[in-house]
Amino acid sequence: QKEVEQNSGPLSVPEGAIASLNCTYSDRGSQSFFWYRQYSGKSPELIMSIYSNGDKEDGRFTAQLNKASQYVSLLIRDSQPSDSATYLCAVSPGTASKLTFGTGTRLQVTL
Amino acid sequence: GAVVSQHPSRVICKSGTSVKIECRSLDFQATTMFWYRQFPKQSLMLMATSNEGSKATYEQGVEKDKFLINHASLTLSTLTVTSAHPEDSSFYICSARVLGADGYTFGSGTRLTVV
Repeated sequence: QKEVEQNSGPLSVPEGAIASLNCTYSDRGSQSFFWYRQYSGKSPELIMSIYSNGDKEDGRFTAQLNKASQYVSLLIRDSQPSDSATYLCAVSPGTASKLTFGTGTRLQVTL
Repeated sequence: GAVVSQHPSRVICKSGTSVKIECRSLDFQATTMFWYRQFPKQSLMLMATSNEGSKATYEQGVEKDKFLINHASLTLSTLTVTSAHPEDSSFYICSARVLGADGYTFGSGTRLTVV
């Protein structure tokens, strides 16, 4: 069973702080890694993708991938209340293959 | 950007009836559509992968005779929940990969309630 593991949370951070979300995966053949944000009752929306080891930055978001440790993370800088949502880690063996999702981490950004 | 239009957004049906959910790719051709189901406070679970012009591939434990998938054109895939029961109540979401785009595009989801 190929698995993607996330801490369900909730992860509570104050406004303006850095939120750190973590994900581990079991399939060493995984090639594509994604972070999705899902608001309650809505479908997921893509935040970041990462395909190679290292960091990838996009605005307030930084994704980090370590294939040797089978670990991918998402950092959110200057967290805002609007960032409060469930963050889903998703992994795929290829560029157009099916995604396996983690259970998601619920983030709460407090005022 | 590429959009997957999913309808209906909400549906309530009686137990024993069938419900059809449609996903249309707008401005792009979706040769493959992924269908997910999400129960409250749980993650997305892949149900099946539909390919245009061929039979869908179902994940282990998903009844293909209960969840009928049709992908007759490059812009339309449908999921029909047959003989629905209350335990089928869930959030159903379709998704497609757009060539040249990053990630997968998701439909807006269908909240199915079987009473």
